[in-house]
Amino acid sequence: SQKIEQNSEALNIQEGKTATLTCNYTNYSPAYLQWYRQDPGRGPVFLLLIRENEKEKRKERLKVTFDTTLKQSLFHITASQPADSATYLCALDADYGGSQGNLIFGKGTKLSVKP
Amino acid sequence: DGGITQSPKYLFRKEGQNVTLSCEQNLNHDAMYWYRQDPGQGLRLIYYSQIVNDFQKGDIAEGYSVSREKKESFPLTVTSAQKNPTAFYLCASREGHGANVLTFGAGSRLTVL
Repeated sequence: SQKIEQNSEALNIQEGKTATLTCNYTNYSPAYLQWYRQDPGRGPVFLLLIRENEKEKRKERLKVTFDTTLKQSLFHITASQPADSATYLCALDADYGGSQGNLIFGKGTKLSVKP
Repeated sequence: DGGITQSPKYLFRKEGQNVTLSCEQNLNHDAMYWYRQDPGQGLRLIYYSQIVNDFQKGDIAEGYSVSREKKESFPLTVTSAQKNPTAFYLCASREGHGANVLTFGAGSRLTVL
């Protein structure tokens, strides 16, 4: 079965720096990979989706890359701000092809941006 | 505004009691999901429903039950058979077309006393 790993539980960076979060999967390459933001005591909020045939996707200060050879996605926040502090979750199809519509989620990386 | 409403936000239960968590959406989404989140763990799928009057077990369905009588509503009952019910419960929905992007509710925190 598909497994997903976010290999940093926590990441602390200084304001203004670029935060880079990593998501690795172990089995088949998903049709797409998603990133969500979760604040304490709240539900996750969708940020970005990248398809398997896309190398890179950008949205304002956010950038996601997808390397199907390495089975890895990188999530970057440039010019980070304290308001970016949150837990970031990686998610992908639970089954090959995504026909059931179910996602599996990584455990998340808690980002703290210090002023 | 369209969205998902979960209630209650906080719930306390004595051992042996069943409790029902409400989830309502006005997004006209076809599919709805219940996830459980524990500290240090990823979201785990409890039940999901692709259409009205149909639902499927997820990875950790034991001790839980659901119903889907209306498109807008997907309540979750945590039964006394669930051995460790204290957790943060998240309801989500998906449009049903294209990529499987989920919209989540704000969550319900259940504590068993």
